[in-house]
Amino acid sequence: SAVISQKPSRDICQRGTSLTIQCQVDSQVTMMFWYRQQPGQSLTLIATANQGSEATYESGFVIDKFPISRPNLTFSTLTVSNMSPEDSSIYLCSVEKGAYEQFFGPGTRLTVL
Amino acid sequence: AQSVAQPEDQVNVAEGNPLTVKCTYSVSGNPYLFWYVQYPNRGLQFLLKYITGDNLVKGSYGFEAEFNKSQTSFHLKKPSALVSDSALYFCAVKTSYDKVIFGPGTSLSVIP
Repeated sequence: SAVISQKPSRDICQRGTSLTIQCQVDSQVTMMFWYRQQPGQSLTLIATANQGSEATYESGFVIDKFPISRPNLTFSTLTVSNMSPEDSSIYLCSVEKGAYEQFFGPGTRLTVL
Repeated sequence: AQSVAQPEDQVNVAEGNPLTVKCTYSVSGNPYLFWYVQYPNRGLQFLLKYITGDNLVKGSYGFEAEFNKSQTSFHLKKPSALVSDSALYFCAVKTSYDKVIFGPGTSLSVIP
């Protein structure tokens, strides 16, 4: 298994600003994933972050809007840039361990005013 | 393209009764199937998975699921529901060369 922490747990931000979300894992992992989830709805994959290479973004998500860093095997950040109210969501990071099992952080609840 | 369907947005069951949360999938190749649970205001937790082998898999908290290749289904079951099982349940699928796709989720309410 894996224990994942995220900071901040929640934030309220003004339109046009940026927020960086941190994700820390208690063990080394190859891939880390960033998801977005509207409350009560399914998860949408934003990007996959491998250490030492550029993140791979899913359709509809771009690096300028959601830059990701992966400086080592236990840590990653996701920045939500130039925020608008449409970016209000829960952002989750996860890692894959064992045979394809994913373990998730507690999430960051973002509200953009 | 991969897809996952959970035909019921909401499932209500009385405490002590058996529960079933349905999942069907579509993939090219051999599927890897998963169930995750999300309790209110908490992150997702892994429940169980099917990779290969026995079609009936057992997981956490007394849950089990049966892989049915002919019906492309992977329904989640529990013989006796608890109020504490009330949560949002997600089915997910991947293949060895593709990313995980999550279903839309089913909200389970266990009524005392």
